[in-house]
Amino acid sequence: AQSVTQPDIHITVSEGASLELRCNYSYGATPYLFWYVQSPGQGLQLLLKYFSGDTLVQGIKGFEAEFKRSQSSFNLRKPSVHWSDAAEYFCAVAGGQAAGNKLTFGGGTRVLVKP
Amino acid sequence: GAVVSQHPSRVICKSGTSVKIECRSLDFQATTMFWYRQFPKQSLMLMATSNEGSKATYEQGVEKDKFLINHASLTLSTLTVTSAHPEDSSFYICSAFTGNEQFFGPGTRLTVL
Repeated sequence: AQSVTQPDIHITVSEGASLELRCNYSYGATPYLFWYVQSPGQGLQLLLKYFSGDTLVQGIKGFEAEFKRSQSSFNLRKPSVHWSDAAEYFCAVAGGQAAGNKLTFGGGTRVLVKP
Repeated sequence: GAVVSQHPSRVICKSGTSVKIECRSLDFQATTMFWYRQFPKQSLMLMATSNEGSKATYEQGVEKDKFLINHASLTLSTLTVTSAHPEDSSFYICSAFTGNEQFFGPGTRLTVL
């Protein structure tokens, strides 16, 4: 069975500082990996996804993530955070198109941004 | 971009009553929609996969008679929580699958008194 672990429940970062959110997955084959952001009152928004190819993936809002098969990781990064980046972030894995893109989510990381 | 709506956004009901939650894809058609449940400060747990014109597929441990799902059209799926109890109180989120990506609704907060 597939699973996702986000080791950090909370992260506090100063505005303008860099941010890295950790994600480790467990899946028997090549995973389809996703990062979503959830803001209060809004639906989950896809930041970026990895299916294949270049292991460094660029997403929206200045985010990027790197797929490392050897470490079973898909960490999310942003060079300089803005106050509007305060939200809950979820890493997810899917079993591929054949599985109907059923997503398994990690526990989430809440990001707080200090002025 | 693809927009998914949910109605209502919040509902409070008495124990024993049934509550229906609607999930609509506003500007695209979705043969597959997913229903998730999110407990406070926890992650999303997939409850069921809703396919237009066929029966929903429920995840292990989810009572299909308690959580009735109907996917009547390519733009509408409904989740009915039957005979709701306080332990059913949660945040319910749907998503619509385009074949390439899931687009999520804003969620429905259900409180059962």
